[in-house]
Amino acid sequence: EAQVTQNPRYLITVTGKKLTVTCSQNMNHEYMSWYRQDPGLGLRQIYYSMNVEVTDKGDVPEGYKVSRKEKRNFPLILESPSPNQTSLYFCASSGRGRKDTEAFFGQGTRLTVV
Amino acid sequence: DQQVKQNSPSLSVQEGRISILNCDYTNSMFDYFLWYKKYPAEGPTFLISISSIKDKNEDGRFTVFLNKSAKHLSLHIVPSQPGDSAVYFCAAFLTSGTYKYIFGTGTRLKVLA
Repeated sequence: EAQVTQNPRYLITVTGKKLTVTCSQNMNHEYMSWYRQDPGLGLRQIYYSMNVEVTDKGDVPEGYKVSRKEKRNFPLILESPSPNQTSLYFCASSGRGRKDTEAFFGQGTRLTVV
Repeated sequence: DQQVKQNSPSLSVQEGRISILNCDYTNSMFDYFLWYKKYPAEGPTFLISISSIKDKNEDGRFTVFLNKSAKHLSLHIVPSQPGDSAVYFCAAFLTSGTYKYIFGTGTRLKVLA
């Protein structure tokens, strides 16, 4: 089954404690990206990757890091989380061709930073 | 600077009637426009898309219209069903040398039985 898997689904952490949210896709997609969803703001792109070792900033990259060492994985790293990073996070992937604009999303990770 | 706008946060429609969700954008360079549907506690799922070189795309009960001169697109759902109740996001996609996906703020559709 084609899918994007995020872990964990829920996470409560304290300010300043480094954390990683994992994302894995099994569709051999080139493109992967991370979004955060906040009330009234919709989905905002944090970082994206066009292929292995190729990453770039989206609209709200401050406070986040990513890496793309393998095609299937695209972890999101918060080196020093702060309460304003409390949000619902989604990972997504899509293929390279012009027909592959459809993005497949993971189930989401609800992060609370206290 | 919101490049993709959905000005209606919510919409209620009677079952069987037409639902029309609207989206406006500012950047004429967008290559594709897409609609996603999102249920609570799930990730968004793709619904329908349209290339910037077309003005209409239809898939079953769902039709997307693109008016490039007005920088406006709309999603029509006919007939609306209770299972269509969800949040709908409009998205615009830039393909040239980048992978920028820009989403609107969403419209919550409620289809009343």
